[in-house]
Amino acid sequence: AQSVTQLDSQVPVFEEAPVELRCNYSSSVSVYLFWYVQYPNQGLQLLLKYLSGSTLVKSINGFEAEFNKSQTSFHLRKPSVHISDTAEYFCAVSGASGTYKYIFGTGTRLKVLA
Amino acid sequence: GAVVSQHPSRVICKSGTSVKIECRSLDFQATTMFWYRQFPKQSLMLMATSNEGSKATYEQGVEKDKFLINHASLTLSTLTVTSAHPEDSSFYICSAPTSGGASEQFFGPGTRLTVL
Repeated sequence: AQSVTQLDSQVPVFEEAPVELRCNYSSSVSVYLFWYVQYPNQGLQLLLKYLSGSTLVKSINGFEAEFNKSQTSFHLRKPSVHISDTAEYFCAVSGASGTYKYIFGTGTRLKVLA
Repeated sequence: GAVVSQHPSRVICKSGTSVKIECRSLDFQATTMFWYRQFPKQSLMLMATSNEGSKATYEQGVEKDKFLINHASLTLSTLTVTSAHPEDSSFYICSAPTSGGASEQFFGPGTRLTVL
């Protein structure tokens, strides 16, 4: 079984400042890791994913996350945030055996301040 | 990319009535779909796995007689909330993985259920 921990429920940050949203997981098997973003009253949009290969994965809008197996982490970072990045961010893990079942973290609300 | 739709996007009903929510994969076939429930400002909790051609698999603590799931075809799964009560008010989201073994799911836009 897998579990995901997002320690920060809310992260306020000023516009153009860097941000890191933390995600730690536990699993007895190999995993796939995902970051999803959710805007108010909307579904989830995939931000980026780690399946295999390079441990640093990047999204088209400037976010990146690094898979660290020894620390069982998959932290999300952005060097300079925009007001439009204000949203809820969920980290998710699934076993790499192809069961597709996702376990979500509790989410981190990123609030970008002007 | 793959698209998953949900209908309705929002529904308000009286206590005691049943509500059906549809989840469709628009441009791919999905033998498996997932149903999640999200309370305000909380995470998504997996309710059940919907399997085309067989019974759904429910997570621990989810009442199967309360939340009926039918995977009628390779592109449609329905969730029926029977005898809805105010505590069933929530945001319901479905997802479906595409084939190919990449273990990536695509999520529907969600259905906001309000039971009066």
